[in-house]
Amino acid sequence: GQQLNQSPQSMFIQEGEDVSMNCTSSSIFNTWLWYKQDPGEGPVLLIALYKAGELTSNGRLTAQFGITRKDSFLNISASIPSDVGIYFCAGREGEKLIFGQGTELSVKP
Amino acid sequence: GAVVSQHPSWVICKSGTSVKIECRSLDFQATTMFWYRQFPKQSLMLMATSNEGSKATYEQGVEKDKFLINHASLTLSTLTVTSAHPEDSSFYICSATTGGGFYEQYFGPGTRLTVT
Repeated sequence: GQQLNQSPQSMFIQEGEDVSMNCTSSSIFNTWLWYKQDPGEGPVLLIALYKAGELTSNGRLTAQFGITRKDSFLNISASIPSDVGIYFCAGREGEKLIFGQGTELSVKP
Repeated sequence: GAVVSQHPSWVICKSGTSVKIECRSLDFQATTMFWYRQFPKQSLMLMATSNEGSKATYEQGVEKDKFLINHASLTLSTLTVTSAHPEDSSFYICSATTGGGFYEQYFGPGTRLTVT
């Protein structure tokens, strides 16, 4: 089946810095979703992307659906301590989602 | 909108017993519900997909007789872990899709299962 490579695996940044993470796949997806998961909680949907080239923002978050349909990135601007958590990309395959390995973000105040 | 709840949020059971976890879509009718398992520091692993009124579709390697899934209505799915063993201890998360033109999958808060 399809696999997603998400990078980086972890990031340690200073509060106020911008963050970028990305996902690449071996095959195309028609929908990309980005989630954030806090410890002991379920993932929360941040942004959904439906068209190649689409650029969508949600507050300080911006995500893009790659033109090739095989990649997506998520940017967080001016990070704050509550941005801490694990971010997952996911590509839609039929009814199911294929998840990346996650990017663990740590923000130093 | 699009809120999914799970009950219980955590459960401890003895080896050999069965445990039922409920997943509910609170403010929408879920055409499809999913069950995932997540180990510490790892990604979500899909266990099965269920549609209301029909049998669940299990992913390869997931024992259907051990993880019983019932999707009785458009707002409720249950996962029963039968004859639980310590290796079944994990974080179980359900999700649901709203259907319609735009695909979005919403997750419950998860259930921490510990088998002693």
